[in-house]
Amino acid sequence: EPEVTQTPSHQVTQMGQEVILRCVPISNHLYFYWYRQILGQKVEFLVSFYNNEISEKSEIFDDQFSVERPDGSNFTLKIRSTKLEDSAMYFCASSESHPTGSSYEQYFGPGTRLTVT
Amino acid sequence: LAKTTQPISMDSYEGQEVNITCSHNNIATNDYITWYQQFPSQGPRFIIQGYKTKVTNEVASLFIPADRKSSTLSLPRVSLSDTAVYYCLVVRAGTALIFGKGTTLSVSS
Repeated sequence: EPEVTQTPSHQVTQMGQEVILRCVPISNHLYFYWYRQILGQKVEFLVSFYNNEISEKSEIFDDQFSVERPDGSNFTLKIRSTKLEDSAMYFCASSESHPTGSSYEQYFGPGTRLTVT
Repeated sequence: LAKTTQPISMDSYEGQEVNITCSHNNIATNDYITWYQQFPSQGPRFIIQGYKTKVTNEVASLFIPADRKSSTLSLPRVSLSDTAVYYCLVVRAGTALIFGKGTTLSVSS
């Protein structure tokens, strides 16, 4: 069964450093998403991406964050200058189509645990 | 989007049927209801979605009354491996998934 993969599984970085989290969505999917989950809290939407541009973003997704699809398979989330409060599990997700009445199924990856020290 | 309210936690034993009810009083005409499951240290996983009446798949059933102000996820004969957090989401075409705190289901033997 196809699945979303993410690397690395765990990233430790110092405050102020840049990090890039990588994701390989399911190959025939067209919509890509990033979410984060701070330990013990709910899953929070960050951004959705389609056709090489951001289609929706949350208040969390400020100028410190950026996303890119550098090639035909990878989807990345960059945090320019990490803060302690960026420590969280970051999940990538993909879907075959934009959420519609036919399906709201998004496929989530296993996550990258980001620890900012 | 309509706010959802579901129990924070539920306990069950193996082999029992578990029903988790979610209220969404302000659901709009174009909104759907979907449920996701999340195991510790894993990403959420889609379980089921519906608009009204009853939907069943190989994993669960979803019951939605005519007024659509609530929905019930039914898990038949749960096992230890069903211990997870279950999220009820109200979703609308073109918008992101907004997760609440979910219901932590604990299944014991």
